[in-house]
Amino acid sequence: NAGVMQNPRHLVRRRGQEARLRCSPMKGHSHVYWYRQLPEEGLKFMVYLQKENIIDESGMPKERFSAEFPKEGPSILRIQQVVRGDSAAYFCASSYTGLISPINTGELFFGEGSRLTVL
Amino acid sequence: SQELEQSPQSLIVQEGKNLTINCTSSKTLYGLYWYKQKYGEGLIFLMMLQKGGEEKSHEKITAKLDEKKQQSSLHITASQPSHAGIYLCGADISGSGGGADGLTFGKGTHLIIQP
Repeated sequence: NAGVMQNPRHLVRRRGQEARLRCSPMKGHSHVYWYRQLPEEGLKFMVYLQKENIIDESGMPKERFSAEFPKEGPSILRIQQVVRGDSAAYFCASSYTGLISPINTGELFFGEGSRLTVL
Repeated sequence: SQELEQSPQSLIVQEGKNLTINCTSSKTLYGLYWYKQKYGEGLIFLMMLQKGGEEKSHEKITAKLDEKKQQSSLHITASQPSHAGIYLCGADISGSGGGADGLTFGKGTHLIIQP
């Protein structure tokens, strides 16, 4: 009976390296959201995915960041050539329906986050 | 500028006292969500409000959405140490049709309960 599982919980990278963050949604959930939490900026929406599709990536930086949610396996947020400004907590959330669905119950289930530190 | 303003930013309350946290937007809130985050952990859903004037309660926590759907308040009665954490309001401010299907969040209110 696992909730949203994120790994790794903590990740340290040097500038220029790649970071891969994984998110396994709750069983039966096909909607995945990635958020970034910076110390002074709160939680910011990055991208919304359904299986094999990116629905909305309006919150994703244009370069170096990408996300996928394959048919099999977890959703992955990939950050290439990391910089110090990428240091943050990255949260994944899943839901059974999309938020604008008429049967939306209102609940996003969040993982415990992956904390990226770039040296 | 922040689209969702939370106040206060931090709050220290003596155990047993009541408290209120506010979440304000200049835009219409099509769905207002309250979450709680314990330090260094994930977010826990508290409740969702959609209709103007709506009010929901869970245990000692009550949330309201004003008639104009631009402000929500979270009220905790007889606070306990377990209430400590960061309270975040999130909202759909994109409106219907198009726009991000993700929530916009406030910066959070840090609540500390003093014994």
